[in-house]
Amino acid sequence: AQSVTQPDIHITVSEGASLELRCNYSYGATPYLFWYVQSPGQGLQLLLKYFSGDTLVQGIKGFEAEFKRSQSSFNLRKPSVHWSDAAEYFCAVARGSGGYNKLIFGAGTRLAVHP
Amino acid sequence: GAVVSQHPSRVICKSGTSVKIECRSLDFQATTMFWYRQFPKQSLMLMATSNEGSKATYEQGVEKDKFLINHASLTLSTLTVTSAHPEDSSFYICSARGSESTDTQYFGPGTRLTVL
Repeated sequence: AQSVTQPDIHITVSEGASLELRCNYSYGATPYLFWYVQSPGQGLQLLLKYFSGDTLVQGIKGFEAEFKRSQSSFNLRKPSVHWSDAAEYFCAVARGSGGYNKLIFGAGTRLAVHP
Repeated sequence: GAVVSQHPSRVICKSGTSVKIECRSLDFQATTMFWYRQFPKQSLMLMATSNEGSKATYEQGVEKDKFLINHASLTLSTLTVTSAHPEDSSFYICSARGSESTDTQYFGPGTRLTVL
C-alpha cells in the first residue's frame, strides 16, 4: 500500500538558516509527489510537484525538492528561511488511475522559525 | 487563480443535528472534488471523491449515509454530516480539480466542526 512518512514532527530553525524537511514514500510505480504548506486560516497551498523529468524541482517561495528514487525520498529544501515560512508542511503522493487522482498525505512537519 | 472557498469556516452544533458544509471553486470549473478530514495535529485523510453529476466514491471506513456528498454543479460540492455526534468534531477540508489542470488539487481553507 502507498504511504508517506515525514520523520520530523516539529522542526525549529533560525531565520536565515537553511532548511530541509524529509519525506519518504512507499509506492510501487512511478510516484507523483507533492509538497503543500498549510498556514492557519488558509487552505493548503501547493509548493511544488514532481511527475517526471528533472529530479530537482523548483517551487514557489524559494523552495525546491529533490526526487531520489534510490532512497524513495522527496526532501524539501530552502537555502534561507524567512519568519513567514513558519507553518505546517505536508508531503503527499498521488495514487489511483492516472497517478494524480487521490492524494495520500504524510503526517506533516510543523516548522517554527526563531528570529 | 484557482481559488476554493468553504462555508462556514466554523460551526458549532448540538448532537443529533445535521450540518452542511459548502465547497466552491470560484474561478474554475471543478470536475472533481475531494473531501478530507483532519484531526488535531494529524494529517489529512481522504473521505470521498466526487465527480460532477455522479455519486461520490467513499474511502474504506467512511460511512456514506452519515457523510452525504453532493456535487450538483461544476462549482459547488456539499458535505452534510447527518446526526452529528461529538466524535464527528473535526476539521473538514475540500479540494477541487479542474479539467484543464488535472494534476493538481486546490484546497479550501477548511471548516472547523464542533459537535456538543
